Amino acid sequence: TQLLEQSPQFLSIQEGENLTVYCNSSSVFSSLQWYRQEPGEGPVLLVTVVTGGEVKKLKRLTFQFGDARKDSSLHITAAQPGDTGLYLCAGASGGTASKLTFGTGTRLQVTL
Amino acid sequence: DADVTQTPRNRITKTGKRIMLECSQTKGHDRMYWYRQDPGLGLRLIYYSFDVKDINKGEISDGYSVSRQAQAKFSLSLESAIPNQTALYFCATSDPRGRTYNEQFFGPGTRLTVL
Repeated sequence: TQLLEQSPQFLSIQEGENLTVYCNSSSVFSSLQWYRQEPGEGPVLLVTVVTGGEVKKLKRLTFQFGDARKDSSLHITAAQPGDTGLYLCAGASGGTASKLTFGTGTRLQVTL
Repeated sequence: DADVTQTPRNRITKTGKRIMLECSQTKGHDRMYWYRQDPGLGLRLIYYSFDVKDINKGEISDGYSVSRQAQAKFSLSLESAIPNQTALYFCATSDPRGRTYNEQFFGPGTRLTVL
């Protein structure tokens, strides 16, 4: 069974601070996705990274896929209260990347 | 209107009862999935279906069954509910032909409590 461990599990910071969330596995994935989930809703895709070493930026969010495609990180610059939520990484595998293995999740709270 | 809908949104039931959770989608996607979410464990795959005639077990299928009644409908059943099946359940869809690599689109979830 493939496992994706996220750290930290919980993070409470003040507005304006920077943070990094890590997603680690011993398995290789064909691609890796990051989702954000808000209370009472399902996860929503933020980004997909496909190539080892790839870096993608989405406004204040920077996503990186490890060279060996086993790990990933999410860095948020100058966090805002609107960034509050549960962040989930998900590794894709299978012949057509048809199945996702989700990480354990990082719950982020950004306060004023 | 939401593209992926789930009913009911909340359900409280007793041990031993049969429960069905329903999922409908208007996205036209062939692939549908059922997950359960527990604190600290992320999302775990229960069953998935790539088309109406294709049903596959996920990592935690014991105690669950599914039915794909049509391309747009995928239901999850708990034949005899037990307390450790208390969780948040999500339905999702995907289209591998889409621009985003196997992006999954989730419903709003069903919170199930088994007493």
